[in-house]
Amino acid sequence: ETGVTQSPTHLIKTRGQQVTLRCSSQSGHNTVSWYQQALGQGPQFIFQYYREEENGRGNFPPRFSGLQFPNYSSELNVNALELDDSALYLCASSGGQGVGETQYFGPGTRLLVL
Amino acid sequence: DQQVKQNSPSLSVQEGRISILNCDYTNSMFDYFLWYKKYPAEGPTFLISISSIKDKNEDGRFTVFLNKSAKHLSLHIVPSQPGDSAVYFCAASPNFGNEKLTFGTGTRLTIIP
Repeated sequence: ETGVTQSPTHLIKTRGQQVTLRCSSQSGHNTVSWYQQALGQGPQFIFQYYREEENGRGNFPPRFSGLQFPNYSSELNVNALELDDSALYLCASSGGQGVGETQYFGPGTRLLVL
Repeated sequence: DQQVKQNSPSLSVQEGRISILNCDYTNSMFDYFLWYKKYPAEGPTFLISISSIKDKNEDGRFTVFLNKSAKHLSLHIVPSQPGDSAVYFCAASPNFGNEKLTFGTGTRLTIIP
C-alpha cells in the first residue's frame, strides 16, 4: 500500500509568483486535506476535497485554491505569493474503508518565498 | 485566536519515566481529540484519539485523558523511550469523522537516555 506522497519536496519562489503543489493520496482514500505549517506553529487547515468537490475551507484568502482529480490526487495552487506564504505545506488523505477519522499525512512541501 | 493550546514548547524526560504532555482548548464545539507525533522531515503520524464521551483511552504505552469540564487533555507515555523524542501535536475536531482538524502549536519531547 502506497502512502501519501507530495511533490516537490522543496521550492523557492519570489513574491508575486504562482505555485502549484501536488499530492497523491493513499490508496483507497477519497478525501484530501491541505494544511499550512508556519515555522514554530501547528498545521493550519486550508481546505478539504472530497470526491473532487471542495468540502470545507479554513481562514485562507481566495488566492489559495485547489483541485482534486478523479484518481483522488490533488493540487494546491497559490497565486500572488507573499512572504508570509513561506511554510511547510502538508497534504493528508483519509476516507478509505476502515480508517474512519485517521488522516495520513505526507512529508510536506517546504515553500520559501523571497 | 488559538483554539487549541499547548503551553509547553518543550519537555525533557529521563528514559523509563513518564512523559506528560498537556493541551487546552477553548471551543466547546470540539468533540473529538487526537494526538499526532512528528519527526523531522516527515509528516505528522496519528498516535491516539479520544471522543468527548470518554475520559480515558489507552493504547499500549500511550494514554490520553480528557477533562471536558476543564477543556483539558493530556497524553501520558510510560515508560518513555528514546524513540519517543519528537514533536507532539494535539488536534481537535467538531465530530468523529470530521477531518478538518485544528492543531496546537506542538510540544518538543526529548527523552534523555
